[in-house]
Amino acid sequence: ELKVEQNPLFLSMQEGKNYTIYCNYSTTSDRLYWYRQDPGKSLESLFVLLSNGAVKQEGRLMASLDTKARLSTLHITAAVHDLSATYFCAVDLGTGNQFYFGTGTSLTVIP
Amino acid sequence: DAGVTQSPTHLIKTRGQHVTLRCSPISGHKSVSWYQQVLGQGPQFIFQYYEKEERGRGNFPDRFSARQFPNYSSELNVNALLLGDSALYLCASSPRFSEQYFGPGTRLTVT
Repeated sequence: ELKVEQNPLFLSMQEGKNYTIYCNYSTTSDRLYWYRQDPGKSLESLFVLLSNGAVKQEGRLMASLDTKARLSTLHITAAVHDLSATYFCAVDLGTGNQFYFGTGTSLTVIP
Repeated sequence: DAGVTQSPTHLIKTRGQHVTLRCSPISGHKSVSWYQQVLGQGPQFIFQYYEKEERGRGNFPDRFSARQFPNYSSELNVNALLLGDSALYLCASSPRFSEQYFGPGTRLTVT
């Protein structure tokens, strides 16, 4: 059974600080996605990582994928309050649109 | 362009009842997937349909069923509702086997 684990589960950080969220998965895959979810809302796509070594950046967020280590990271640079949300990574085993989501990381950015 | 739409937005049912949730994918998208998100957890994969055929099923009981229509819209049916079925049900569409776009979800409460 595929397991997708994120850490930390909860993250409270001050504005302006940097931090990294980690996503580990238990089986081979070269397709990994990051989503953001605001309270009571649906999932918003952030990054699509489709190969080993893929790196994507958007604003203060940067995601990377190491398929050999089965690890993806979401790096936050100079956090701002608007980044407060829950972040999920999701792994696609390649059999179709059957995503396995991580446990989620609830991020709170404190002014 | 219209995104993924789901109906209804909210629903309250009693244990033992049946419920039907509906999803309309983004125009041109032929793949629809369903996910269940219990409060505080990541979404869990329920079903995936592509070109009206079931392509994948998650670890859910037979009380859960789905279908996809010729216009690629989809229904998720749940019979004999249990309290534990209370969740946000998310529908996602994709052109084929790639990035998924999520709808706003249907929040189901079983009392």
